[in-house]
Amino acid sequence: GQNIDQPTEMTATEGAIVQINCTYQTSGFNGLFWYQQHAGEAPTFLSYNVLDGLEEKGRFSSFLSRSKGYSYLLLKELQMKDSASYLCAVRDRGKLIFGQGTELSVKP
Amino acid sequence: DSGVTQTPKHLITATGQRVTLRCSPRSGDLSVYWYQQSLDQGLQFLIQYYNGEERAKGNILERFSAQQFPDLHSELNLSSLELGDSALYFCASSRDSLSYEQYFGPGTRLTVT
Repeated sequence: GQNIDQPTEMTATEGAIVQINCTYQTSGFNGLFWYQQHAGEAPTFLSYNVLDGLEEKGRFSSFLSRSKGYSYLLLKELQMKDSASYLCAVRDRGKLIFGQGTELSVKP
Repeated sequence: DSGVTQTPKHLITATGQRVTLRCSPRSGDLSVYWYQQSLDQGLQFLIQYYNGEERAKGNILERFSAQQFPDLHSELNLSSLELGDSALYFCASSRDSLSYEQYFGPGTRLTVT
C-alpha cells in the first residue's frame, strides 16, 4: 500500500533549528518532495530529492535515505513567517502522494 | 503568484448539483494536475493531463471527470455532489509530464450544502 507518515504538529522558537521527519512506503519511487502551505493558500515547492543525501537551499535543507524510506526537512534560523504546514510527498509513477502535513508553529 | 489561475475562487452549491472548475496552467506548461484537499483527507491527487491526454489517475470518483483542451486549460467536472465533496480543489501545472516542480494555483473552495 501507500503510506506517508509525518508528525501532526511541532513547535519551535524563532531563530532555532527544527527537523521535520517523513517516512514512506510506496509501490514505486521517483522522488520525494517537500512543500510549504500556509492556511488557505496553495502549496509552494521547497525541495526535491531523488538520490540519497542532503540538498541545501538557503535556510532549508532536505535529506533522503531511499533504503530506509526516510526523509527530513531541516529549517534553520526560524522566522515567524515559517509557521505553516509542511507537506512531504512521494512521486510514484507520475502521481504525487502527500502525507497529512506537519503543522509548524514558530513562537517568539 | 505561481502563474496558474483557477476560477472560481469560491463556489457554494447544493447536494445533487453539478459544477465545473477551471484551471489555466502557466504559460508553456503542458501538464495539468488536479488535487482535492479536505480537512480529514489531506491533499489527494485526482488526475493528470499532458498535452490534452490523460496521463495518470489517482483516487478520482466516477462522479468526477476532467479534460484538457487544445489551448491547454483544464476543467474538472463534479456531479451529483455530496456534502463530503466540500473541499479545496487545487490545480497545478508543470513543464512536461516528468518535471519535478509543480506550480499550484490558488485553489477553488467548494462548499456543498
